[in-house]
Amino acid sequence: DVKVTQSSRYLVKRTGEKVFLECVQDMDHENMFWYRQDPGLGLRLIYFSYDVKMKEKGDIPEGYSVSREKKERFSLILESASTNQTSMYLCASSLGQRTGPEAFFGQGTRLTVV
Amino acid sequence: AQKVTQAQTEISVVEKEDVTLDCVYETRDTTYYLFWYKQPPSGELVFLIRRNSFDEQNEISGRYSWNFQKSTSSFNFTITASQVVDSAVYFCALEGSGGYQKVTFGTGTKLQVIP
Repeated sequence: DVKVTQSSRYLVKRTGEKVFLECVQDMDHENMFWYRQDPGLGLRLIYFSYDVKMKEKGDIPEGYSVSREKKERFSLILESASTNQTSMYLCASSLGQRTGPEAFFGQGTRLTVV
Repeated sequence: AQKVTQAQTEISVVEKEDVTLDCVYETRDTTYYLFWYKQPPSGELVFLIRRNSFDEQNEISGRYSWNFQKSTSSFNFTITASQVVDSAVYFCALEGSGGYQKVTFGTGTKLQVIP
């Protein structure tokens, strides 16, 4: 089974801190994604990566950056956390072929910025 | 721009009732994919189905069935004889021709099945 693992289920950070959210997948998928999920807004794409060291902005990249140094790992970085970044963050991965592939999701990290 | 609307925010049904979750989409692409995902209380989204825009055949998988109608831009999901384990948030999503960077999720429908 595909497994997407996010390093933390819950995180509490202070305003201004640098925050790293880690995601690892074990199925050699080319694509990896970071979403945030907020009530009433569904899932919104922050960044995605289609290969090592490659990244593309999603719909809401402001205040975030990403890193993909290895194929299996995709990190989301909040350079200076703010309270409006309190949210559920979901990582996903999928195969690279353009066949409408389904994505496999991690369990999510609920981040609270105080 | 593409859009996915799940007008039902929350639905409660009694166990064994049938329930339909509505999904209406908008896109200018002629080729696209529609998805349904389930998010149980544990948090991870679980893929349920993918349907491409050229395949309007309805699909049934056990107690789940999907009704895709291009004429009304709808991709509705029906659970027959609901069970408590069906309680979850269900998301409909649309992937346009721009690839995965153009996936748009609906806002989700929270289904509560009462024993």
